[in-house]
This record gives sequence, C-alpha cells and structure tokens, in this order.
Amino acid sequence: EVQLVESGGGLVQPGRSLKLSCLASGFTFSNYGMNWIRQAPGKGLEWVASISSSSSYIYYADTVKGRFTISRDNAKNTLYLQMTSLRSEDTALYYCARHRNYGSLDYWGQGVMVTVSS
Amino acid sequence: DTVLTQSPALAVSPGERVSISCRASEGVNSYMHWYQQKPGQQPKLLIYKASNLASGVPARFSGSGSGTDFTLTIDPVEADDTATYFCQQSWNDPWTFGGGTKLELK
Repeated sequence: EVQLVESGGGLVQPGRSLKLSCLASGFTFSNYGMNWIRQAPGKGLEWVASISSSSSYIYYADTVKGRFTISRDNAKNTLYLQMTSLRSEDTALYYCARHRNYGSLDYWGQGVMVTVSS
Repeated sequence: DTVLTQSPALAVSPGERVSISCRASEGVNSYMHWYQQKPGQQPKLLIYKASNLASGVPARFSGSGSGTDFTLTIDPVEADDTATYFCQQSWNDPWTFGGGTKLELK
C-alpha cells in the first residue's frame, strides 16, 4: 500500500525557518517524481515545488522561489521541503504528492500544518 | 499563470447526473486532471489527462474536454460523492489548480 507521511510542521514566527519531511513507503520511491502542494485554511490548492526521481530537475512556484528548497534522499525514501524566511501567507496545510501520468498526482499524504505567526 | 475557473458550488439529488466544469485561461492540450477532496481528507485523483479513470475510481466518474474547456461528470451521483472537486493542469508552467466546486446533495 502506497503511503506518504508528512512531518515537521508547527507554529513558527515570521522570518524563521522550518523543514518538512515526507516518508514514503509501499512503492519504489526512487522511480517517481515528487511534489509539495499546499492549501491555506479554507482555500484551494497551490503547487509549491517539484523534484524529479533523481533530483535532476527541480521547479518552484514564484511565490516560494529563493526561500524554499525541495530535496530528496532516495536511500531514506524521504522527500524534504526546507522553508526559510517564512511569511504569514505561507500558513497552510502542506501535502506531499507523487507525480504520476502526465503531471497528475496519484497519491497524497495526509498533510502537515505550518502556521506562521508572531 | 494559467487560471482555471470552476463554479463554486452545485447541489444535486442522489441518482441524478452532474457535470462540473473547468475553464482554462489558455490552452492546456488534454493535460487536465480531476481530484475529489472530502472534508478533513487529502485530495484523491479521479481522472488524469482529461478522460482517463484513475485506478480504483468507480466508472460513475468520467471526464471530457480538451484545449480550454473540461468537464467532470458523475452519473449517477451517490450520497458519498459529497465533496469538493478540483481541476489541475500540467501543460503550462506553473501547474495550477481550479478554485474547487463544492458538490452538495439535496
């Protein structure tokens, strides 16, 4: 069974940093591109960042470019999102999701909450 | 960015057919995908590349469209289909999502 379990969220002050993790199981992690998607409270979905299976290709939304870094450790089956210079508008539920056919996202984690507030 | 526009809400009775639309501000070929999100849960992939049913999704769900206009159809609607439905395009960078259509059952 495919499972994606996020961790590392919490309450953080503006300007500070936080690192999210997503532990994958039930599939060969190193064969799949992965993504971070976020959802602000009561709002829609926003794609944040993508990384290819071997980390050769990395993309970011303009809203996080230069502040967030996506990475992965295929030996540990883990996806990361290093977030720096956090702003109140980064407050959201962050999901990791597996990249599948034609850019669809076929499995999602349960999400981890990040709250940026003083 | 490619803006995806969805109607905010729909209400239908169980057993009826419902069509949920998604209009893109520019062409996305057929690279449109649909997700179902129930309250407190993560999104679930229903349809990929406009019309392909994702694994394990009931055949009551179907998708159509290309270019800028896309439709997710549920026929017949069941009580368990109460959820918010999102479209997502992956043809243009960055990938974008629609605002979601909340489906309520009468």
